Amino acid sequence: GENVEQHPSTLSVQEGDSAVIKCTYSDSASNYFPWYKQELGKGPQLIIDIRSNVGEKKDQRIAVTLNKTAKHFSLHITETQPEDSAVYFCAVGDSGNTPLVFGKGTRLSVIA
Amino acid sequence: EAGVTQFPSHSVIEKGQTVTLRCDPISGHDNLYWYRRVMGKEIKFLLHFVKESKQDESGMPNNRFLAERTGGTYSTLKVQPAELEDSGVYFCASSHPGGGKRYFGPGTRLTVT
Repeated sequence: GENVEQHPSTLSVQEGDSAVIKCTYSDSASNYFPWYKQELGKGPQLIIDIRSNVGEKKDQRIAVTLNKTAKHFSLHITETQPEDSAVYFCAVGDSGNTPLVFGKGTRLSVIA
Repeated sequence: EAGVTQFPSHSVIEKGQTVTLRCDPISGHDNLYWYRRVMGKEIKFLLHFVKESKQDESGMPNNRFLAERTGGTYSTLKVQPAELEDSGVYFCASSHPGGGKRYFGPGTRLTVT
């Protein structure tokens, strides 16, 4: 089955700096790659997703890049703010309805 | 549009007792998923409903866990009898009939003492 590795497990950045979180996956048939943000006491919130027919997608300060050949994808957050502090999960699946496989999460701390 | 809701938000029970968790998906979402996160580990898949049918229950840990989705609307997940290792946060997610984006509920934190 699919195996998803996520790094780093914790990340601290100064406010205004950029943060990058990376994930690798094993199943070359996977074609859907969402990122979720989980704040304390809340459920995972979908923040951005990408499908395998594109290499990059941006939404304001958040971007995701995908390298299908190398089977890895990354989340980029620019101009970080304290409210970006949370646990971020990458996930892998298909664009249908099969269950997502998640990484172990990255705890991001943005220091003011 | 209302999001995915879950009840209760927290539950503390003793080993051997029974607990039932409930999930109400987004209206019109045929796909409903249960996931669990145990003590800082990854979010792990438990099972998947399409309407009222169990599409995939490969993630269910054992037969102490029973999920239902009568009528294809809300779902319940019953743990009977609960064990200490069942403690964790149980999440429900739903998606449109065609799949794609999965939306998560706030979770139920279960503590078994």
